[in-house]
Amino acid sequence: SQTIHQWPATLVQPVGSPLSLECTVEGTSNPNLYWYRQAAGRGLQLLFYSVGIGQISSEVPQNLSASRPQDRQFILSSKKLLLSDSGFYLCAWSVLGVGGEQYFGPGTRLTVT
Amino acid sequence: AQTVTQSQPEMSVQEAETVTLSCTYDTSESNYYLFWYKQPPSRQMILVIRQEAYKQQNATENRFSVNFQKAAKSFSLKISDSQLGDTAMYFCAFMGWLGSQGNLIFGKGTKLSVKP
Repeated sequence: SQTIHQWPATLVQPVGSPLSLECTVEGTSNPNLYWYRQAAGRGLQLLFYSVGIGQISSEVPQNLSASRPQDRQFILSSKKLLLSDSGFYLCAWSVLGVGGEQYFGPGTRLTVT
Repeated sequence: AQTVTQSQPEMSVQEAETVTLSCTYDTSESNYYLFWYKQPPSRQMILVIRQEAYKQQNATENRFSVNFQKAAKSFSLKISDSQLGDTAMYFCAFMGWLGSQGNLIFGKGTKLSVKP
């Protein structure tokens, strides 16, 4: 069966510090991978998605970036965090193609102080 | 651009009763997919139910069923025999057919409280 992991679960970082959140998927090959952000009291906003190694598409301009160094690894990064980067970050995967439902990881709670 | 609207920010229901959550969407596509996701206090997003737009039959998963009205662009979720464990945020989501990336567009959610 497929599983998706995210770490860390919780992170408190000062403004201006770097960020690295990691997501890995097990039990499937060549999945689509997604990063979402959920601000307090709001829905999910798609940040990045990837259909393959090294292929990253950005949905929202921001100071965040994403990378996919391996087939089942997806990393969200920032060189300098802003207060507005605080939120709950969710990674998800789906099978390649249209109509596949997305399965979400447990999420990372990021607080920028 | 596609949009998803959930007009009920919060709802409550007594245990064992039935509740319906509303969702409307806007799209110019004729083929697409609709989903309901549940986010309990643990914040793990869990898929509840899925509907293909080309299917006229409403999807059902145990106590969860949808009322899909394609012409009205409406996709409501009915929860029967509500249980305390159904307490959660519920998100309606749209996935277009065009573009194989399968990007989901979410509504802002409805907070459902099931009271004993």
